[in-house]
Amino acid sequence: RKEVEQDPGPFNVPEGATVAFNCTYSNSASQSFFWYRQDCRKEPKLLMSVYSSGNEDGRFTAQLNRASQYISLLIRDSKLSDSATYLCVVSLTGTASKLTFGTGTRLQVTL
Amino acid sequence: NAGVTQTPKFRVLKTGQSMTLLCAQDMNHEYMYWYRQDPGMGLRLIHYSVGEGTTAKGEVPDGYNVSRLKKQNFLLGLESAAPSQTSVYFCASSYQVGTEAFFGQGTRLTVV
Repeated sequence: RKEVEQDPGPFNVPEGATVAFNCTYSNSASQSFFWYRQDCRKEPKLLMSVYSSGNEDGRFTAQLNRASQYISLLIRDSKLSDSATYLCVVSLTGTASKLTFGTGTRLQVTL
Repeated sequence: NAGVTQTPKFRVLKTGQSMTLLCAQDMNHEYMYWYRQDPGMGLRLIHYSVGEGTTAKGEVPDGYNVSRLKKQNFLLGLESAAPSQTSVYFCASSYQVGTEAFFGQGTRLTVV
């Protein structure tokens, strides 16, 4: 089983739609969680951290379910510019080698 | 605001050749990482460093060596390149584990 698993997609959605991605992780000792965004042929960039209580940043909402070991990302009112690959990242605090990336979920927003 | 800078951006090597990828960061970060990204595989950690003078193996270290002689630089070496090392290589740095990692723009390496 992969340490971090994501549905690769692609998710094709019309502009204005709401879309949700899930990510599951295998190590219950994981402490830090993130969503990164990667545009085609570019480097990954942090989209948002994921906190235990859930957090929101504009149109983006991230949630963590420790009991079921999954993380979610909800994008409301999708824009064309949201088209990208979204990477789920999990980290074990204190162990630098365990910044583990999922393979990413590709989102394509269309007119 | 340079952030993390990787050189070179592109390179083609012949099998058996050697090369060094340079990563430089100007954010005074302690942690630095080298990843490779292949289609369908995601980002995989090659080696990392938790401070000047330290290095450690990641998930896929074979065929690579690293050095961190200065805090701001992290070098990745390929002693004898193989076609299986064709990939996109990303360097990243972070203040500490559990905080945002900043990435360089990547190096596209092709080994023929």
